[in-house]
Amino acid sequence: QQQVKQSPQSLIVQKGGISIINCAYENTAFDYFPWYQQFPGKGPALLIAIRPDVSEKKEGRFTISFNKSAKQFSLHIMDSQPGDSATYFCAASMDDYKLSFGAGTTVTVRA
Amino acid sequence: DTEVTQTPKHLVMGMTNKKSLKCEQHMGHRAMYWYKQKAKKPPELMFVYSYEKLSINESVPSRFSPECPNSSLLNLHLHALQPEDSALYLCASSQRLAGGWDNEQFFGPGTRLTVL
Repeated sequence: QQQVKQSPQSLIVQKGGISIINCAYENTAFDYFPWYQQFPGKGPALLIAIRPDVSEKKEGRFTISFNKSAKQFSLHIMDSQPGDSATYFCAASMDDYKLSFGAGTTVTVRA
Repeated sequence: DTEVTQTPKHLVMGMTNKKSLKCEQHMGHRAMYWYKQKAKKPPELMFVYSYEKLSINESVPSRFSPECPNSSLLNLHLHALQPEDSALYLCASSQRLAGGWDNEQFFGPGTRLTVL
């Protein structure tokens, strides 16, 4: 039973465009929402994370938007670059070690 | 140094072989994790060690046997594996066995395991 639903499964965006990945959760006890970026042949790396008391967090070209009432959060990649081509996983946890991952989104940025 | 290293990078083994995967971190982290990741899927937690003691076993078959010889090293011993065990095996570490905020899990690059 997947606790975090992620969409789309894959997306293709032109260089300079905006990539948007959406995640939804049911468990209101979740209080930590990280996004991981994984390149082929590498392990996942933490990209950006947010707490539910914050509606938006921006780090460079990456922004998380959080809607607590809708139990949804999303990752926006602005000015997408070919180097952003990777698989992105959203996740959630309840103040413990266990990360509930979304299914993943493969992003391809075309030059 | 915020790096988790894993060896070997690739491993091919037969179903009757015994092999081991190795993970090392020098960040002073006291929690270490083994994950299994199938192609195009998210990582699945297998084991968690806290202060060199096994804290969590996510109902993993006994053909996978973890070991934590010291605070920097984590091994995964493999025996009598099945072809469906072929996957990317990831090691991760964090400061402590607790929630994610200010306790990021750092992942290694993984070992790509193929069972013939």
